[in-house]
Amino acid sequence: EVRLVQSGAEVKEAGESLKISCKGSGYIFTSHWIGWVRQMPGKGLEWMGIIYPADSDAKYSPSFQGQVTISADKSINTAYLQWSSLKASDSAIYYCARRGSSASAYFYAMDVWGPGTTVTVSS
Amino acid sequence: DIQMTQSPSTLSASVGDRVTITCRASQSISSWLAWYQQKPGKAPKLLIYQASSLESGVPSRFSGSGSGTEFTLTISSLQPDDFGTYYCHQFSSYSFGQGTKLEIK
Repeated sequence: EVRLVQSGAEVKEAGESLKISCKGSGYIFTSHWIGWVRQMPGKGLEWMGIIYPADSDAKYSPSFQGQVTISADKSINTAYLQWSSLKASDSAIYYCARRGSSASAYFYAMDVWGPGTTVTVSS
Repeated sequence: DIQMTQSPSTLSASVGDRVTITCRASQSISSWLAWYQQKPGKAPKLLIYQASSLESGVPSRFSGSGSGTEFTLTISSLQPDDFGTYYCHQFSSYSFGQGTKLEIK
């Protein structure tokens, strides 16, 4: 079974650093891009960025460039999203999702989603 | 950056109704578009990929169409389980539509 397992909920204070994770299983991790999506309370989905674990090529949405860092460790099939200094406005659910195979029409979809990691930042 | 304008933002319909949701792109994105359904407290679920291909296991009452800048998601006969919020997602610069909250009357 193809799965993305995300790390657990986090409660932090403003100014702290944080790294959350997304571990893939049931497929060849290095063959699919992994994207990150933010959902603030009661709001829609926002695209943050995407990484190709085979070579750690990362692309960021302009809205999130410089605000977060996306990385991957292909040896343990895990992608990461990190902040160096959290703000209260970073409180949200963060989803990781797998982009479909580049060899098929699924390339134009995020076909597998993690359950989300809730991040709460107090000021 | 490509902007996606999704409409309507909310929709209330009855079981058996035909429902259409539209996404317009600020520039051409070919057929590089997916549709997702999200239920409260859950991750989004893929419905349609590459604008018109139905994801495995998704009921055939869901269909997608369009190319270039205009796209539609249609539910041919609304069922009670179809409530939730629907999002389009373009794969040129990856932005999402604002979402359509579908309520069953």
